Amino acid sequence: EIVLTQSPGTLSLSPGERATLSCRASPGVSGGFLAWYQQKPGQAPRLLIYHASTRASGIPDRFSGSGSGTDFTLTIGRLEPEDFAVYYCQQYDNSPLTFGGGTKVEIK
Amino acid sequence: EVQLVESGGGLVQPGGSLRLSCAASAFTFSHYAMTWVRQAPGKGLEWVSTISESGGGTYYADSVKGRFTISRDNSKNTLYLQMNSLRAEDTAFYYCAKHSSSWTLYYMDVWGKGTTVTVS
Repeated sequence: EIVLTQSPGTLSLSPGERATLSCRASPGVSGGFLAWYQQKPGQAPRLLIYHASTRASGIPDRFSGSGSGTDFTLTIGRLEPEDFAVYYCQQYDNSPLTFGGGTKVEIK
Repeated sequence: EVQLVESGGGLVQPGGSLRLSCAASAFTFSHYAMTWVRQAPGKGLEWVSTISESGGGTYYADSVKGRFTISRDNSKNTLYLQMNSLRAEDTAFYYCAKHSSSWTLYYMDVWGKGTTVTVS
């Protein structure tokens, strides 16, 4: 099983600041088969990024994904008020599908 | 608009059973693998089960194997999760999610709003 570890657990930032979220995989994820989701309170997760760096349809370009192997990053260029949420990474390289524990981005 | 609507959740006693349904619309349901994901109160996302587009392939998390059964009726555009021998630790919000392809190992591009299962 591929274990995904997200850090930090909580990120306290102000609107307009840049957010950098980490997702580490053990063992590594091949093929860039990693996705990122955003979840707001009381809502279902929403796909942001797939194949490590491809934005899903309708996702603003302030969201970007990068990385390969064991280290992946989600960057939010300038935080908008609607971006404060929990973010999860998910790998689809190997069965079982696994999710990271999440990073909460909160308003400082 | 592509949509998934879950139903069938509720309160059940330990050892009991529930059947969740997920009605799909506005896409060719039979072309895509589907997955159930759950989220315990205040916790993260946990993969539960995946089914291939034809229904011929099914996959389960170890935590539910032997107790849960995933199935689909492509003629009714509906996904199911039969949950037996329920335990307190199965208490969670259950989401159905559409894969972006027929691949069973893939990301999910559409999620339902979920249904609550409480085992108590």
